[in-house]
Amino acid sequence: DAGVIQSPRHEVTEMGQEVTLRCKPISGHDYLFWYRQTMMRGLELLIYFNNNVPIDDSGMPEDRFSAKMPNASFSTLKIQPSEPRDSAVYFCASSLGASEKLFFGSGTQLSVL
Amino acid sequence: EDQVTQSPEALRLQEGESSSLNCSYTVSGLRGLFWYRQDPGKGPEFLFTLYSAGEEKEKERLKATLTKKESFLHITAPKPEDSATYLCAVQANSNYQLIWGAGTKLIIKP
Repeated sequence: DAGVIQSPRHEVTEMGQEVTLRCKPISGHDYLFWYRQTMMRGLELLIYFNNNVPIDDSGMPEDRFSAKMPNASFSTLKIQPSEPRDSAVYFCASSLGASEKLFFGSGTQLSVL
Repeated sequence: EDQVTQSPEALRLQEGESSSLNCSYTVSGLRGLFWYRQDPGKGPEFLFTLYSAGEEKEKERLKATLTKKESFLHITAPKPEDSATYLCAVQANSNYQLIWGAGTKLIIKP
């Protein structure tokens, strides 16, 4: 298996622009997580899905952030409009079961100028 | 409040010099404690899960142990390729969200 695949690897955009991050989880995994990592705050859970259904989005910073999972093999995290404070590494992870180990993608390094 | 604290923040060792990393936690009912390794530019990679006090797990030069208040990641005779940031996370019985520590950056000098 190729593992969790995220795209793009790097995204540089200007404040106010829309940003879409993409994730393909490992086939067969029923949980998908979106995390954000910064030096100041470490790893923060933004939202997670179970069988394509959003379960907990309490970590989403504000209404500018939205996430979808239209099918078992694809998820998106959208930021509209983007702000400089959104600059971070965004990780997608998947797991087989809620209490099982997470498999992380390589992340998307987002820079908002 | 559920909390995870890792120490030290950074650790520099000579190749072959054994040491331990600490993960102290406060959680209302532990479901599991997880150790991950993160290399620069990559996502965290799973190492171990521990479920109950007294449990130990080993993988190559790494051994993880668990008590009711903390976990240790022991590194025996480390090599430069063991250099990475080691992250600890706990999962409470009350929900499935992982609570992450800030990590320990380990540097092994040849």
